[in-house]
Amino acid sequence: SQQGEEDPQALSIQEGENATMNCSYKTSINNLQWYRQNSGRGLVHLILIRSNEREKHSGRLRVTLDTSKKSSSLLITASRAADTASYFCATVGASGGYQKVTFGTGTKLQVIP
Amino acid sequence: GAVVSQHPSRVICKSGTSVKIECRSLDFQATTMFWYRQFPKQSLMLMATSNEGSKATYEQGVEKDKFLINHASLTLSTLTVTSAHPEDSSFYICSARVLAGAQETQYFGPGTRLLVL
Repeated sequence: SQQGEEDPQALSIQEGENATMNCSYKTSINNLQWYRQNSGRGLVHLILIRSNEREKHSGRLRVTLDTSKKSSSLLITASRAADTASYFCATVGASGGYQKVTFGTGTKLQVIP
Repeated sequence: GAVVSQHPSRVICKSGTSVKIECRSLDFQATTMFWYRQFPKQSLMLMATSNEGSKATYEQGVEKDKFLINHASLTLSTLTVTSAHPEDSSFYICSARVLAGAQETQYFGPGTRLLVL
């Protein structure tokens, strides 16, 4: 079963606005990662936040992690039409001696020019 | 960053045939690779973990005799969909595990779209 649940499932905003996506998970993790997937394409790694970190920035991306609530958020500031894609969170936890990545359900973001 | 390639990027085959998908780590060695499947409008689901030189570990519900995995070298893992049927049509994505110190991450291939007629 899916570890992560993301909301919203779909988000449509105007170019220039900020986009916020949330991810909740159920078990303990080592780190949490966000990925982007353009329609029909492979995954692109965006950012990784460790379980002992609370916030991380990368360019227009800001990720927060609240391990007490088992949730994370991805904020894209000043969105562009090129940001249109699906965004997945992935939790990484220990399983059988190696780290297992489990993906959330994804948020489909549409940025309208 | 590390680069992972997949071949082919797209394949169409007739029902009953077998299809082999290759996953290569181009500039690093990967003792562990993962195979995922993604159905339309759904998230990625881990199918199996491919370990170099040993048998793959399959997730619950994934038939090991149908999805044959071979990780013969540190840079290549293959997934063979045997006797493919239309319900096997999906997007198959591999990833390679990279360890940098104590930090682990995965780099994903571009995916292979399989259509079984």
